[in-house]
Amino acid sequence: GENVEQHPSTLSVQEGDSAVIKCTYSDSASNYFPWYKQELGKRPQLIIDIRSNVGEKKDQRIAVTLNKTAKHFSLHITETQPEDSAVYFCAASKHGDSSASKIIFGSGTRLSIRP
Amino acid sequence: DTEVTQTPKHLVMGMTNKKSLKCEQHMGHRAMYWYKQKAKKPPELMFVYSYEKLSINESVPSRFSPECPNSSLLNLHLHALQPEDSALYLCASSQKPGSGNTIYFGEGSWLTVV
Repeated sequence: GENVEQHPSTLSVQEGDSAVIKCTYSDSASNYFPWYKQELGKRPQLIIDIRSNVGEKKDQRIAVTLNKTAKHFSLHITETQPEDSAVYFCAASKHGDSSASKIIFGSGTRLSIRP
Repeated sequence: DTEVTQTPKHLVMGMTNKKSLKCEQHMGHRAMYWYKQKAKKPPELMFVYSYEKLSINESVPSRFSPECPNSSLLNLHLHALQPEDSALYLCASSQKPGSGNTIYFGEGSWLTVV
């Protein structure tokens, strides 16, 4: 089955600097890669996603890149702010044998922004 | 409105109790999910309902019993749970069940088994 590895597990950056979180996946049939942000005690919320027919996607300070050949995808946050502090999960999914698909999550990165 | 509503927010139950977690969405989504999340871990998929039919069961113990009464509601019936089942239980939904459909999570139900 699919396996998603995420690094680093913790990341501390100075406010205003950039943060990069990296993930690798094992199943070359995976075609959808969402990123979720989970603040302490709250629900995971989608912040950006990318599909396998696209190499890069940007939304204001957040960007995601995908390298299908290497089976890598990364989240880039620029000009970090205190409210960016949270746990970030990458994920991968593909069309399943049934009508439903499964999203497999990475292990998470705890991002802390230092003032 | 991308709202998935879960009740109760907190539940404490004994190992012999029977309780239920409830989930509701009015976005017209046709896929609904139950996830379990332990502290400092990612959400783990338990069940997927696709067009009100159970399509994925991730080998979940029978003490967890899902039910989808209609396209807006999803329940998780709990019976004879163990302390290690204590976790955050997240309900989620997506417009369709296939890959590429955004999954929206509810706030979760914090379950403690004593």
